[in-house]
Amino acid sequence: SAVISQKPSRDICQRGTSLTIQCQVDSQVTMMFWYRQQPGQSLTLIATANQGSEATYESGFVIDKFPISRPNLTFSTLTVSNMSPEDSSIYLCSVGQGAGNTEAFFGQGTRLTVV
Amino acid sequence: QQQVKQSPQSLIVQKGGISIINCAYENTAFDYFPWYQQFPGKGPALLIAIRPDVSEKKEGRFTISFNKSAKQFSLHIMDSQPGDSATYFCAASSHSGGSNYKLTFGKGTLLTVNP
Repeated sequence: SAVISQKPSRDICQRGTSLTIQCQVDSQVTMMFWYRQQPGQSLTLIATANQGSEATYESGFVIDKFPISRPNLTFSTLTVSNMSPEDSSIYLCSVGQGAGNTEAFFGQGTRLTVV
Repeated sequence: QQQVKQSPQSLIVQKGGISIINCAYENTAFDYFPWYQQFPGKGPALLIAIRPDVSEKKEGRFTISFNKSAKQFSLHIMDSQPGDSATYFCAASSHSGGSNYKLTFGKGTLLTVNP
């Protein structure tokens, strides 16, 4: 399975600021995804990071709030913009592998606290 | 609308016992059903997965039982160990219509195995 590294692993940010989270994969992957996991909750897909084109966002998530970059097949960033305490969550990068990209592997996550 | 319902929310089992976690889904287009294990501070790790063409899959102490007609699937952990204490998520995805791989997660089950 791919090794996925996320930076930072955690951060405490002031409301109104922005944080960019990096996701680095040790091999080229077609599919990369960003998830949010609110405290004690399940995982919710934010968007699919498409290489060379705009990300595809899920209902309830918009590009202005969560801009995503995918400059190549091993790297992606997620920015959480104009943060509020409600954005306090764990943000997870995921890649799809295996036949049909059916197996999803996750990074260790970025624990964000907005104060 | 929650497409994957998971129960129980929490589960306490004695060492050596059997842990059973259940999930039910609504979308008949789902054709891939993975289970993830998450330890505190870590990203979810793929544990075992099943496709609807089989009714059961076993890997070591972990077994998935799948009932297509009832749209239910469950995870059985045999001989549960304290090291199995973690949060378990069921998930489902669909590849129909050439859709990209997306996972819909259940809300998670916090498993505690007492020594």
